[in-house]
Amino acid sequence: AQKITQTQPGMFVQEKEAVTLDCTYDTSDPSYGLFWYKQPSSGEMIFLIYQGSYDQQNATEGRYSLNFQKARKSANLVISASQLGDSAMYFCAMREGPGGRRALTFGSGTRLQVQP
Amino acid sequence: EPEVTQTPSHQVTQMGQEVILRCVPISNHLYFYWYRQILGQKVEFLVSFYNNEISEKSEIFDDQFSVERPDGSNFTLKIRSTKLEDSAMYFCASSELGDRVTREQYFGPGTRLTVT
Repeated sequence: AQKITQTQPGMFVQEKEAVTLDCTYDTSDPSYGLFWYKQPSSGEMIFLIYQGSYDQQNATEGRYSLNFQKARKSANLVISASQLGDSAMYFCAMREGPGGRRALTFGSGTRLQVQP
Repeated sequence: EPEVTQTPSHQVTQMGQEVILRCVPISNHLYFYWYRQILGQKVEFLVSFYNNEISEKSEIFDDQFSVERPDGSNFTLKIRSTKLEDSAMYFCASSELGDRVTREQYFGPGTRLTVT
């Protein structure tokens, strides 16, 4: 079974609008962390936002917020006020287990294109 | 801002040749990782390294692969006899040691390996 599922291979959004990128995960470990990374066409992986399994509130980082629904095992990324520079691949990832040293498991990604 | 660096940015090699990919993690980080991304696919974990030994490895990381921290700054991935299917972007990542679960992994810009 896939540990991280991103069902949207591609998404379009108009500049200045909000967009939600979906991510569902599968784990039996009560302690885990969920991450979103952005990969522009240049190829680097840029960390965006983190949500811990025990966090009571949804994470926010500037225009990025994470809609964490633990019972549904979903961790959707919301980008508000989209900008042309947001066009990129977006990967959801999970780290299982307590502590911060375990490897990340990535989803297949969503390609976001922001249109003017 | 400190960053993970990788050299070379692009390596072309012939099948059967040995390659060494180099990484300089962020200086106060103690966990190191290698991931790879075959073109158009998701990022896959290869190996993690802590305290001069492998901490975790995936099924991909077979006997053809090895990692080393030859000095206080470099972290290398060696592929002994490259195959066509080793063509991919290889990312090095590092994270701090600590109790904070957040510990995001900082990725380097990647080395694109092309095996011909």
